[in-house]
Amino acid sequence: QVQLVESGGGVVQPGRSLRLSCAASGFTFSSYAMHWVRQAPGKGLEWAAVISYDGNNKNYADSVKGRFTISRDNSKNTLYLQMNSLRAEDTAVYYCARDGGPDSSGHDALDIWGQGTMVTVSS
Amino acid sequence: DIQMTQSPSSVSASAGDRVTITCRASQGISSWVAWYQQKPGKAPKLLIYAASSLQSGVPSRFSGSGSGTDFTLTISSLQPEDFATYYCQQANSLPYTFGQGTKLEIK
Repeated sequence: QVQLVESGGGVVQPGRSLRLSCAASGFTFSSYAMHWVRQAPGKGLEWAAVISYDGNNKNYADSVKGRFTISRDNSKNTLYLQMNSLRAEDTAVYYCARDGGPDSSGHDALDIWGQGTMVTVSS
Repeated sequence: DIQMTQSPSSVSASAGDRVTITCRASQGISSWVAWYQQKPGKAPKLLIYAASSLQSGVPSRFSGSGSGTDFTLTISSLQPEDFATYYCQQANSLPYTFGQGTKLEIK
């Protein structure tokens, strides 16, 4: 079945780095744009980043721009989020989500979501 | 950035009730709105896309409407499994933004 499975979360000190992964299965991963969306404890959803189907177009929320990098390996059906210079306010559950189309700004909704991986930034 | 303002932030209702949640965009976004349902400890689930299109597998008691700046999600007859938090999201332009959420509670 169509599935996204995140991994790589954990507890990290402020200023350190972490890389999240999202393994896709059950669909043609290379045909879809992919997003990262995060949710701080007890808070709402915050869109973080998107990458087009071929990896050529990327966009970021201002809150993560310059610190986070989204990437993908279509040969491995895997999406990544490299998170550097982590701050306490980055503490959240991080979800990967499939875009309904191939483009990073194609007006499509996020139709498939992973179960999320928790990132805690604390000394 | 486009701001999405949801109301109410919480609502209490009973099974069988009709409930409407609204979302207002800070600028016109055509029909590029999606609605999601989230239950505690779970990932969001897409209900409605392009303002009024029902996602496959979602019960027909869910419906969406609106265009421009004002949008609504309606649940025609609440079922026990519908008690959750609902979010709107604009897909008109990046950065995508979500409303702050509406918690639907049992009365």
